[in-house]
Amino acid sequence: SQQGEEDPQALSIQEGENATMNCSYKTSINNLQWYRQNSGRGLVHLILIRSNEREKHSGRLRVTLDTSKKSSSLLITASRAADTASYFCATVTYNTDKLIFGTGTRLQVFP
Amino acid sequence: DAGVIQSPRHEVTEMGQEVTLRCKPISGHDYLFWYRQTMMRGLELLIYFNNNVPIDDSGMPEDRFSAKMPNASFSTLKIQPSEPRDSAVYFCASREGTRRTEAFFGQGTRLTVV
Repeated sequence: SQQGEEDPQALSIQEGENATMNCSYKTSINNLQWYRQNSGRGLVHLILIRSNEREKHSGRLRVTLDTSKKSSSLLITASRAADTASYFCATVTYNTDKLIFGTGTRLQVFP
Repeated sequence: DAGVIQSPRHEVTEMGQEVTLRCKPISGHDYLFWYRQTMMRGLELLIYFNNNVPIDDSGMPEDRFSAKMPNASFSTLKIQPSEPRDSAVYFCASREGTRRTEAFFGQGTRLTVV
């Protein structure tokens, strides 16, 4: 079963624009993580935000977490063609060590 | 470290045959996860191990699927007998320590059952 739902399912933008992806989840979490997947490849970890954090930055990535709404967003600023990939949120709950993934957002950045 | 290593990268087999997928986690990682990815169902967690012990196999679709981790450096996912609906990309991932750390994924095995 999937914990997270992401929207939009697909997003197309021009280079230089910002891309925002949203993730909603169902149960209380210990932390939420974002991963990236290039076509035909494995997933790569981008950033982890803990349940007691509200915002986190890493380079051009900004992640927010609203535990009251059970939602998170990933913002990629000044996007590049190389950012083209699928992006997934994943949650870890307090009572298990499982990492459960959302449905993903396919991002296409046009040069 | 070379990262999580999965083999084979591609597997084509006939319905009814046994399929074995292999995974070598990153040395020192004590958690290992098996996922299946399809267009229809996304990324599904099949089973995970902690210190070579299966902790939760509730995602294993049916008895045709089995997974083992005989030691800290090797795990297998077996499907017997295979069916066309098992066609998917299977990923193995490993993690060090508690839930507050990132998981590292292998490149996946693309399985096609004809």
